[in-house]
Amino acid sequence: GENVEQHPSTLSVQEGDSAVIKCTYSDSASNYFPWYKQELGKRPQLIIDIRSNVGEKKDQRIAVTLNKTAKHFSLHITETQPEDSAVYFCAPRGGYQKVTFGTGTKLQVIP
Amino acid sequence: SAVISQKPSRDICQRGTSLTIQCQVDSQVTMMFWYRQQPGQSLTLIATANQGSEATYESGFVIDKFPISRPNLTFSTLTVSNMSPEDSSIYLCSVEGIGLASTDTQYFGPGTRLTVL
Repeated sequence: GENVEQHPSTLSVQEGDSAVIKCTYSDSASNYFPWYKQELGKRPQLIIDIRSNVGEKKDQRIAVTLNKTAKHFSLHITETQPEDSAVYFCAPRGGYQKVTFGTGTKLQVIP
Repeated sequence: SAVISQKPSRDICQRGTSLTIQCQVDSQVTMMFWYRQQPGQSLTLIATANQGSEATYESGFVIDKFPISRPNLTFSTLTVSNMSPEDSSIYLCSVEGIGLASTDTQYFGPGTRLTVL
């Protein structure tokens, strides 16, 4: 199966700073690269996604960049706010449309 | 998006018993999945629920332990059979293709928190 790793596993930033989370995958057939946010006690929700024919996508304070050659994609959050505190999961879709969730990154934004 | 509900939201069960979790969507969807998430951990796919046929199980999960039904395009059940304390977890259903659209985004139900004593 696909190996999916996220780094770092935990991240603490001051409010207003930027945060970057990296997701590394192994399946070269992967073609869809989403990021999910899961607040404590809540369900995971999609926050941004990108497809393999695009290198970067931005939505207000969040962005995703993709490097297919190196098989990694990253979540960028600028001007972090306390409500950004959550666990973030990448979930690349590989061959045979199989989704594998990453190990998760716990982001804490300190007011 | 769609409204996805799960019943029960939580339960405490005795070992050796079985529990059936229901997932209901207010729109027809192409795909339905069942995940397990242990506290502080990532999501692990149990199986894909196939409408009108047997579910497709991931490595480490078997039909005898986790029977799944999907009688139509809006409803699925997951049964956790012969439970042990190791089955204590949050079970989540997710769906793709709301309105039978061809999309990759997964939408999750609120989850069922299961505790086995």
